[in-house]
This record gives sequence, C-alpha cells and structure tokens, in this order.
Amino acid sequence: DAGVIQSPRHEVTEMGQEVTLRCKPISGHDYLFWYRQTMMRGLELLIYFNNNVPIDDSGMPEDRFSAKMPNASFSTLKIQPSEPRDSAVYFCASSLGGANTGELFFGEGSRLTVL
Amino acid sequence: AQSVTQLGSHVSVSEGALVLLRCNYSSSVPPYLFWYVQYPNQGLQLLLKYTTGATLVKGINGFEAEFKKSETSFHLTKPSAHMSDAAEYFCAVSRTGNQFYFGTGTSLTVIP
Repeated sequence: DAGVIQSPRHEVTEMGQEVTLRCKPISGHDYLFWYRQTMMRGLELLIYFNNNVPIDDSGMPEDRFSAKMPNASFSTLKIQPSEPRDSAVYFCASSLGGANTGELFFGEGSRLTVL
Repeated sequence: AQSVTQLGSHVSVSEGALVLLRCNYSSSVPPYLFWYVQYPNQGLQLLLKYTTGATLVKGINGFEAEFKKSETSFHLTKPSAHMSDAAEYFCAVSRTGNQFYFGTGTSLTVIP
C-alpha cells in the first residue's frame, strides 16, 4: 500500500502569494494531521481531522492558514497570503484510530520557501 | 499538561559504541510513549512505542527503550552504533485526545 503522499515536495514562492499544499492519506486511515517543522520551533501540530471533520485547529498560527478535508482521501493546507516566516517543512500524517493507538504515518513533507 | 524533554540536541558516538538518547516526560497520568526517527529529507518513522505491559520495548534496527515511571523517563538505547543510524530522533508522548507532543529532537552523528 502506498504511504502518505504529499505534494509539492518543494515550493518556492514570493511573499504575498497563495500556497496550497496537498496530502493523500493512507487508505482506510480515519485521522489526518498537519504538522510544521522549523529549526526554531521543532514539530508543531497545526490541525487534525477525524473522519474528514476538523477536530482541533488551535495550532493554526493565523487566519492566513486554512485546511480542508473534502473527502477521506484528500486534504489541503492553504496559506494566503504567504510570508517569509511561513518558510518551513510541512508534514501530513495519517493514523488509524488516532494518535493514542500508536503510530502516525508521515509523508515526506513539503518544503516551503517564501522569499 | 503533557510535555517531553530531550536532553542534548546533538549527540555524537563512535561507530560500534553505545547509543543513549535521553527523554523525560511530564504527565499527570501514565502516558503512551514513542520514539520516531527522521532521516534527511524524509518524514518521521516509528522506531518503537510503549503503551502498556512490558516496560522494556524493542524496536526496529536494534533500538530499544525502557519506560521508567519512577524517573519519568523513556531513554532510547542501542548497544552498537552503525553509520546508518545517523539521523534525527524524536521522543513523543500521548495520552488524552489525539495530540502527540514531540520533543525538540536529538541529532545523532556516528563517527567512523
């Protein structure tokens, strides 16, 4: 079975532009998580979904960030407008039964650079 | 509140030497504990986990960790380091809800 698939792997954009990151979770998984990784702050949970419903978005830094999960096989994280401080690696992870059951399966990440 | 502290952001060991990566947690109830590994330009992969039962947990690639409730620790060890072990290692804790709390990571360098 394919793992978590993220696109694009790398994105370079200019300040003010809209950025859309995409994620396809593992088939059958009912939880999806978006994380951001930076040198300064480490891994931060931005938002997670259960059965396509956003459960906790308290980690979303600002209104510029939004995430959707229109169906069980697709999620997007959008930043509009983007700023240089948004530069980071964004990871999507999925899980069957939630984080408490043990294992998050991570995608390879989307490296975002905002100039 | 739950949190994880990883002592030492960088650890260097010689090839063949013992690997010891430290993790302490704070939790009001016994947590679930995890170690994840991240190789360059990749996502995190689960190394091992402790949920209940035996406190010594064995994982992939020869790693193991021991849950010590009295010390609130979950240190990761490997008897003999290999060059391929060079990576970033993250300790994580979870109990209530669906949040993983990740530590800040420890970068392991293996010296030939």
